[in-house]
Amino acid sequence: DAGVIQSPRHEVTEMGQEVTLRCKPISGHDYLFWYRQTMMRGLELLIYFNNNVPIDDSGMPEDRFSAKMPNASFSTLKIQPSEPRDSAVYFCASSLSGPLRETQYFGPGTRLLVL
Amino acid sequence: EDQVTQSPEALRLQEGESSSLNCSYTVSGLRGLFWYRQDPGKGPEFLFTLYSAGEEKEKERLKATLTKKESFLHITAPKPEDSATYLCAVPQGGSEKLVFGKGTKLTVNP
Repeated sequence: DAGVIQSPRHEVTEMGQEVTLRCKPISGHDYLFWYRQTMMRGLELLIYFNNNVPIDDSGMPEDRFSAKMPNASFSTLKIQPSEPRDSAVYFCASSLSGPLRETQYFGPGTRLLVL
Repeated sequence: EDQVTQSPEALRLQEGESSSLNCSYTVSGLRGLFWYRQDPGKGPEFLFTLYSAGEEKEKERLKATLTKKESFLHITAPKPEDSATYLCAVPQGGSEKLVFGKGTKLTVNP
């Protein structure tokens, strides 16, 4: 398997622009997670899905952030409008079943810079 | 509030010099403690899960142990390829959300 695939790997945009991050989980995995990593706050869970349904989005910082999972093989994280403080590395991860009993497999991340 | 604190923030070792990394947590009813390794520019990679005090797990030069309040990641005779940031995480409260510590950046010099 190719592992979790994320695109783009790097994104540079200007404040106010819309940003869309994409993720393809490992085939057969029922759970998908979006994380954000910064030096100040470390790795934080933003939202996770089970069988394409959002389960917990309490980590989504603001209404500017939204995430969708239209099918089992694709998810998006959208930031609209983007702000400089959104600059971070965004990771997508997937697991076969519940995160407490199954390993989460992380993608390579998308490094976002908002100018 | 559930907290995960890792120490030290950074650790520099000579090849072959054994040491330990610490992960302390304040969460009621621990339902697992997870260790991950993260290489620069990559996503975290799973290492271990520990579920109960006294449990130990090993993988090559790494051994993870768990008590009621903390976990240790022991590194025996490290090699330069063990250089990475090591993260620990615990589930938050009654949820399935993992709360991560900020990590220990380990550097092993040849």
